[in-house]
Amino acid sequence: NAGVMQNPRHLVRRRGQEARLRCSPMKGHSHVYWYRQLPEEGLKFMVYLQKENIIDESGMPKERFSAEFPKEGPSILRIQQVVRGDSAAYFCASSPGHPSEQYFGPGTRLTVT
Amino acid sequence: AQRVTQPEKLLSVFKGAPVELKCNYSYSGSPELFWYVQYSRQRLQLLLRHISRESIKGFTADLNKGETSFHLKKPFAQEEDSAMYYCALRRNSGNTPLVFGKGTRLSVIA
Repeated sequence: NAGVMQNPRHLVRRRGQEARLRCSPMKGHSHVYWYRQLPEEGLKFMVYLQKENIIDESGMPKERFSAEFPKEGPSILRIQQVVRGDSAAYFCASSPGHPSEQYFGPGTRLTVT
Repeated sequence: AQRVTQPEKLLSVFKGAPVELKCNYSYSGSPELFWYVQYSRQRLQLLLRHISRESIKGFTADLNKGETSFHLKKPFAQEEDSAMYYCALRRNSGNTPLVFGKGTRLSVIA
């Protein structure tokens, strides 16, 4: 099992562009979580998805951010019209369908110039 | 609201010395507590969870509900223990998200 995969590992965007971050969960995992880590901060929860459903998006900014986890393919975190404050490391974690450990991906480091 | 506090940003100890990484939490219910570790150039990985009551790589952590603490301890630090350590909390009610502290960087000096 290759573990949770995230791509790209590094992403540079200019202000106003769109950023798309991908997360492929571990095989057999149907639960995906996205976290954001700002410099000098801990990981902060953004959104929790199961296949085709958003379960909890209480940590997601109301504007410009969206997430999906389609029936086929990876989970996508999309940030529209990026601003400098979006520069951060974005981590994805997955878990199987019962209360269990979350397995983390290597993260995507987004830099907005 | 749930909150996890790790008061030390950086902790430096000599090899062979005891280590204690502090973690305090606030949550009105019955939480599940974890310690995650991130070694240099590696991904975040689970080190301990309080319900397992295990010792992993010589580390232990006891949940103290009276003091709302979950401190991570090791009697004799090794150089390979140098890493970022994050304490995390989860509501004990299913597949809920984790709430993380800001992390403590442990540096073990030879």
